[in-house]
Amino acid sequence: GNSVTQMEGPVTLSEEAFLTINCTYTATGYPSLFWYVQYPGEGLQLLLKATKADDKGSNKGFEATYRKETTSFHLEKGSVQVSDSAVYFCALSDRGQGAQKLVFGQGTRLTINP
Amino acid sequence: GAVVSQHPSRVICKSGTSVKIECRSLDFQATTMFWYRQFPKQSLMLMATSNEGSKATYEQGVEKDKFLINHASLTLSTLTVTSAHPEDSSFYICSARPWSGGTTDTQYFGPGTRLTVL
Repeated sequence: GNSVTQMEGPVTLSEEAFLTINCTYTATGYPSLFWYVQYPGEGLQLLLKATKADDKGSNKGFEATYRKETTSFHLEKGSVQVSDSAVYFCALSDRGQGAQKLVFGQGTRLTINP
Repeated sequence: GAVVSQHPSRVICKSGTSVKIECRSLDFQATTMFWYRQFPKQSLMLMATSNEGSKATYEQGVEKDKFLINHASLTLSTLTVTSAHPEDSSFYICSARPWSGGTTDTQYFGPGTRLTVL
């Protein structure tokens, strides 16, 4: 079956540090890949997405590249800010599954200290 | 664009009562909506997929008689937790997938509803 594995958190960084949150996946079909962000007490917000191999999703300084050869979609940001503190979820949607349900990773809690 | 609202944002109820949560897509039509449950510091667990005008599809282990889902229009889905008990206390999140006439797999999430059953 389909699954998503994220690096375990929590992750704590200082402001302006470089961020990488690893995400790998297994899928039977041709998935789209997503990163969602959840701020405290809120629902999930779509951060970025990529729908095919070698696509790069980007938003708010965050980037992730769909790597089919390594089945990965790592999230990166060059210089983090305190406001980036949140929980980040990697997810996939497998169109081959018909219903296009999202499969989430376990989430990675990120804390940025001033 | 692509805003999803939920109401209420917080609800506290007594054990044995029923609670209804609404999920609305404000600026788009959604043929499919999803209901998730999130436990503290954990990922989202899909409870059911709701299609407009038809019965919801429940995930394995989710009691359909306890979690009633109605998707009466292209912009509204409701989740009713019947005879709620303390173990039903959780954060319930809905999402909606826009109807595009083709295929789109992006879901937009509501802000969530915190249910506390006393």
